[in-house]
Amino acid sequence: EIVLTQSPGTLSLSPGERATLSCRASQSVSSSYLAWYQQKPGQAPRLLIYGASSRAPGIPDRFSGSGSGTDFTLTISRLEPEDFAVYYCHQYGSPYTFGQGTKLEIK
Amino acid sequence: QVQLVESGGGVVQSGRSLRLSCAASGFTLYSHGMHWVRQAPGKGLEWVAIIWYDGSNRNYSESVRGRFTISRDTSRNTLYLQMNNLRAEDTAVYYCARDGGTELDYWGQGTLVTVSS
Repeated sequence: EIVLTQSPGTLSLSPGERATLSCRASQSVSSSYLAWYQQKPGQAPRLLIYGASSRAPGIPDRFSGSGSGTDFTLTISRLEPEDFAVYYCHQYGSPYTFGQGTKLEIK
Repeated sequence: QVQLVESGGGVVQSGRSLRLSCAASGFTLYSHGMHWVRQAPGKGLEWVAIIWYDGSNRNYSESVRGRFTISRDTSRNTLYLQMNNLRAEDTAVYYCARDGGTELDYWGQGTLVTVSS
């Protein structure tokens, strides 16, 4: 089983700042099979990024994904108030696994 | 548009059974694989099960294998999760999600299952 470790656990930033979230895999993951999701309190997760770097339909271009092998990054270029949430990385492959999440909170 | 609506959650005693449903609209189940993912209170996401787009294969997490069964009714366009021998650690919000080929592209709003001892 591929274990995904996200860092930091909590990130405190202000609107307008840049956010960088990390996801490290215990073994190499095909870039095609790495996704990122956003979850707000009381809501279902929402797909942001698939294939490590492709934005899902309707996702603003301030969200970008990068990386390969065992190291992947989600970047939010300029934080908007609605971006404060929990973010999960996910590797698509049986068994399917998720990182433990990074909470992005307002500073 | 794609919509997934879960139902069937509730409070159940340890050792008992429960069946969750996920009604799909905006697409057909025989064109996409489907997953169940759960989230314990205050915790992260945990993948539970998948059924392939053609229904030919199913796979489960170690934590539920032998107790849970994923199935579907294509005539009703509905996905199911039969949960037997429930344990306290199965308490969670259960989400159904559509398989997009390389990611889970649409999610339902979730249904809460609480297992009481």
